[in-house]
Amino acid sequence: GNSVTQMEGPVTLSEEAFLTINCTYTATGYPSLFWYVQYPGEGLQLLLKATKADDKGSNKGFEATYRKETTSFHLEKGSVQVSDSAVYFCALYTGGFKTIFGAGTRLFVKA
Amino acid sequence: GAVVSQHPSWVICKSGTSVKIECRSLDFQATTMFWYRQFPKQSLMLMATSNEGSKATYEQGVEKDKFLINHASLTLSTLTVTSAHPEDSSFYICSARTAGLAGEGGTDTQYFGPGTRLTVL
Repeated sequence: GNSVTQMEGPVTLSEEAFLTINCTYTATGYPSLFWYVQYPGEGLQLLLKATKADDKGSNKGFEATYRKETTSFHLEKGSVQVSDSAVYFCALYTGGFKTIFGAGTRLFVKA
Repeated sequence: GAVVSQHPSWVICKSGTSVKIECRSLDFQATTMFWYRQFPKQSLMLMATSNEGSKATYEQGVEKDKFLINHASLTLSTLTVTSAHPEDSSFYICSARTAGLAGEGGTDTQYFGPGTRLTVL
């Protein structure tokens, strides 16, 4: 079946550090891939997405590239800020009813 | 991006009462809406999927008589927690799926509401 695996958190970084949150997936067919962010006490916000192999999604300095050969969609940011502290969810959708979410990775950024 | 609203954002109720949570897609029509439950520091747990004009599809282990879902229109779905008990206290999040909006490459995308925190005393 379809699944998403994210690196376990929490991830703690200092401000301006480089961020990578790993995400790998298992899917039949050709899924669309997403990253969502959840700030404390709020719902999920779509951060970025990619719909086919080699596509790069980007938003607010975050990037992720759809790698079919490694079935990965790792989230990166060159210089994190305290305001990036949140929980990040990787997800996939193959056109059925359900979007499959990873377990979430909590990021803490220290000033 | 598309906007999904939820109301109320938080609610406190007494044990045994019923609580209704509304979810609206504000600038698009959503044929499919989803209700999730989230426990502290955990991922989302899908409770049910609702399609406009038809009965909701509940996930295994979710009591359909306790969590009533009505998808009355293409922009409104409601979740009613009946006879609430303290163990129903949680963060409930709705989501609506839309076909790709203009400029989004035609990909079906889920957009989420801000969540409703339910506390049952």
